[in-house]
Amino acid sequence: AQSVTQLDSQVPVFEEAPVELRCNYSSSVSVYLFWYVQYPNQGLQLLLKYLSGSTLVESINGFEAEFNKSQTSFHLRKPSVHISDTAEYFCAVSGRGSGGSNYKLTFGKGTLLTVNP
Amino acid sequence: KAGVTQTPRYLIKTRGQQVTLSCSPISGHRSVSWYQQTPGQGLQFLFEYFSETQRNKGNFPGRFSGRQFSNSRSEMNVSTLELGDSALYLCASSASGLAGVHEQFFGPGTRLTVL
Repeated sequence: AQSVTQLDSQVPVFEEAPVELRCNYSSSVSVYLFWYVQYPNQGLQLLLKYLSGSTLVESINGFEAEFNKSQTSFHLRKPSVHISDTAEYFCAVSGRGSGGSNYKLTFGKGTLLTVNP
Repeated sequence: KAGVTQTPRYLIKTRGQQVTLSCSPISGHRSVSWYQQTPGQGLQFLFEYFSETQRNKGNFPGRFSGRQFSNSRSEMNVSTLELGDSALYLCASSASGLAGVHEQFFGPGTRLTVL
């Protein structure tokens, strides 16, 4: 079985400040890692993903996340946030489970990022 | 390309009733997954369908079921509704059958309220 822990349910920051949204996972097998974002009254959108290769992945809007296998973490960072970044952010993990089951996504409970002027 | 569409957007039912939710994936996508989103439990995986076959299933009771049609459209059904079934039900589609690997595109959801 796999699980995801997002350590902060809410993160308030001021505009142009840096932010880090924390995500830890547990899994007995190799994993793929994702960050999805949900803007108010919208469905989820993929922000970035780690499948293999470089442990640092970036999104087109300035977010980045680093896969740390030893710490089983995939924290999301942005050096300077905008008001438009206000949204709920979900970390997710997938991995082949026991018994030959297929990959399926397990989500964390989300972190609400609120950017204040 | 049109995005993932879900109908209806809002639904109010009473305990004991049953409900059917519909999802139309992005054209060409063959994988459809369903999730339940609640404030307390967050996003929980219900099931995934690919080419009309259920490929994966979450830990939900048998009251929750789904199916996929030959045009990849999917429906989920909840029978004998309980108050705790009140949630936002999200549908997501992806191009391949591995929802845990490839990007999933989410619909806006169906908000189900059980009274």
